[in-house]
Amino acid sequence: KAGVTQTPRYLIKTRGQQVTLSCSPISGHRSVSWYQQTPGQGLQFLFEYFSETQRNKGNFPGRFSGRQFSNSRSEMNVSTLELGDSALYLCASSLVWDRGFNGYTFGSGTRLTVV
Amino acid sequence: KNEVEQSPQNLTAQEGEFITINCSYSVGISALHWLQQHPGGGIVSLFMLSSGKKKHGRLIATINIQEKHSSLHITASHPRDSAVYICAVRWGGYGGATNKLIFGTGTLLAVQP
Repeated sequence: KAGVTQTPRYLIKTRGQQVTLSCSPISGHRSVSWYQQTPGQGLQFLFEYFSETQRNKGNFPGRFSGRQFSNSRSEMNVSTLELGDSALYLCASSLVWDRGFNGYTFGSGTRLTVV
Repeated sequence: KNEVEQSPQNLTAQEGEFITINCSYSVGISALHWLQQHPGGGIVSLFMLSSGKKKHGRLIATINIQEKHSSLHITASHPRDSAVYICAVRWGGYGGATNKLIFGTGTLLAVQP
């Protein structure tokens, strides 16, 4: 069974550009959540989606956005990139969102470097 | 004060030693996770706990809901256990459901042969 697939694995962008990252959850999983990991702040919650709806959003500026498609694949977008956006972006998928929740499977992450 | 505190931040052990990593939290939770992260970034979920104790191989995780505390133990440690171990709580939310995780800062474990 395929795991959680994040693409691309590595990305280098210039300040001011925008970037789109993709996450394909495990087949059948309908919940996807996104996290940012930096050396200074550690792992922080970005947002979570279930059935194409954003259920929660972390404390990040509006430059960070996301969406989920009908096949549960999710994308996150960062506009007007800043140097501080350099981070490892991880997504995690789970089967359900509430009752019956049985844990997460994480992707390998996308390492974004902003220069 | 962080909502999830882990200790120690760094830990060096000799192969074969018994290791304990602690996690305390201050928010309402629906579950607590122990995660393992190797260099390169990939995260593996080791345990999900809402009460009691779980064991998988040489790893044991316990949680005390009343004291808001969890421990991860590694018995007979091995160099391949070297990784960052992260405690994360699935936030209880404001009466609504969420899969939001709040993370501790991680414990960097190095097991020397």
